[in-house]
Amino acid sequence: DQQVKQNSPSLSVQEGRISILNCDYTNSMFDYFLWYKKYPAEGPTFLISISSIKDKNEDGRFTVFLNKSAKHLSLHIVPSQPGDSAVYFCAASVNNFGNEKLTFGTGTRLTIIP
Amino acid sequence: DVKVTQSSRYLVKRTGEKVFLECVQDMDHENMFWYRQDPGLGLRLIYFSYDVKMKEKGDIPEGYSVSREKKERFSLILESASTNQTSMYLCASSYLNTIYFGEGSWLTVV
Repeated sequence: DQQVKQNSPSLSVQEGRISILNCDYTNSMFDYFLWYKKYPAEGPTFLISISSIKDKNEDGRFTVFLNKSAKHLSLHIVPSQPGDSAVYFCAASVNNFGNEKLTFGTGTRLTIIP
Repeated sequence: DVKVTQSSRYLVKRTGEKVFLECVQDMDHENMFWYRQDPGLGLRLIYFSYDVKMKEKGDIPEGYSVSREKKERFSLILESASTNQTSMYLCASSYLNTIYFGEGSWLTVV
C-alpha cells in the first residue's frame, strides 16, 4: 500500500516557467514532509521540508505547500532552470522522538526544456 | 557537510554469492538506513538502525540482513544474491528528520 504517491512519473517545463510537482499521502499520522532531488548515478539530496504546523515554506526558488485537509503537498520551482532537471521524491515521516523513518513516493522526473 | 560514504559504487556478482555493501557516516548520527531504488517503485526501506547493534526491518527486508557493530558503520548483507536484487542501493544517516544519502551502489546480479 503506497502511503506516499506521486502520480505524475514525468513533467516537462520550459526554462524560466514555474514547475509544480505534486504529492499525495494517505497516512494522517505523517507530520513532517520533505522533498529530495536526485541526479542519475547519485544519491538523493535534501531540498526543502515542511512541518505539519505550517502550510508553506520557502527557500529561494523553491516553495513547498502543504494542504493537510487534502493530504496533499506540492513543490514549486520558479523560475525553472536547466540544472533543475532531475528526479524529485517527496517523503513523509511520523514524529517518533528521534527515531523517524521516511516513506518515499515513487518520484517525478522533471525535464527543463531550454 | 554530512558525508555518507558507500565503499563500492559498482558491483557485479553471481547468483548465490554472499554480498556485502558497506557504508560509513562521519557525523555521529545515531540513525542509519539502507534503501533500494528501482524504476517506478521509488525508494524502499530495507532495514534501519537506531543505535549500535540495533536493527529493525523496513518494508522489504526479505533476502537481506544488516550489521551495525560501530556507530559510524552500517553494512547490508545479501546472504545469497538473486537476480531480483539487481538494483541501486542507497545508504543514509539521519538527524532531526532529515536523511542524508550516500552516492549509491549499483549492484548487478547475473
